[in-house]
Amino acid sequence: GENVEQHPSTLSVQEGDSAVIKCTYSDSASNYFPWYKQELGKGPQLIIDIRSNVGEKKDQRIAVTLNKTAKHFSLHITETQPEDSAVYFCAAFTGNQFYFGTGTSLTVIP
Amino acid sequence: KAGVTQTPRYLIKTRGQQVTLSCSPISGHRSVSWYQQTPGQGLQFLFEYFSETQRNKGNFPGRFSGRQFSNSRSEMNVSTLELGDSALYLCASSLTRGRPLTDTQYFGPGTRLTVL
Repeated sequence: GENVEQHPSTLSVQEGDSAVIKCTYSDSASNYFPWYKQELGKGPQLIIDIRSNVGEKKDQRIAVTLNKTAKHFSLHITETQPEDSAVYFCAAFTGNQFYFGTGTSLTVIP
Repeated sequence: KAGVTQTPRYLIKTRGQQVTLSCSPISGHRSVSWYQQTPGQGLQFLFEYFSETQRNKGNFPGRFSGRQFSNSRSEMNVSTLELGDSALYLCASSLTRGRPLTDTQYFGPGTRLTVL
């Protein structure tokens, strides 16, 4: 089956700096890659996603890039704010099932 | 539009008991998936239901089961609870399954199960 690896597991940045989280996947059949933000005591919230026919997608301060050849995709958050502090999960969808990374705990220091 | 709802939000059970968790998907969504989330194992897929049929199953013992009703609401059941079943159980719904642009999953808040 698919294997999704996510790095780093923890990340601390100063407010206003950028944060980058990287994921790799193994199954070339994976064609959809969402990112979720999970705050304490809540369920994961979809923040951005990208399909395999697109290389980059941006939504305000958040962007995702996809390199199908290298089988990796990344989440970029610019101008970070304290409210960006949360756990972020990447996922890969094979067309049959979602596989999740192990999460990155992001702390934005005011 | 209301999001995915899960009941109850918190449960405390003892070993050997059984538990039933409920999930109501977003209106119009027909696919419901269940996940177990623990600090050590992350998000692990339990099963997926679509049109009242289990379409996919993760690597969990038979003590974990589920079903889906004609209104797309879903329940999962865990029998003979073990300490290791303590986790956050998440439900996610999507419009359909396996079709681009309609397979995006939206999660509920989860049910926190504690087994003593």
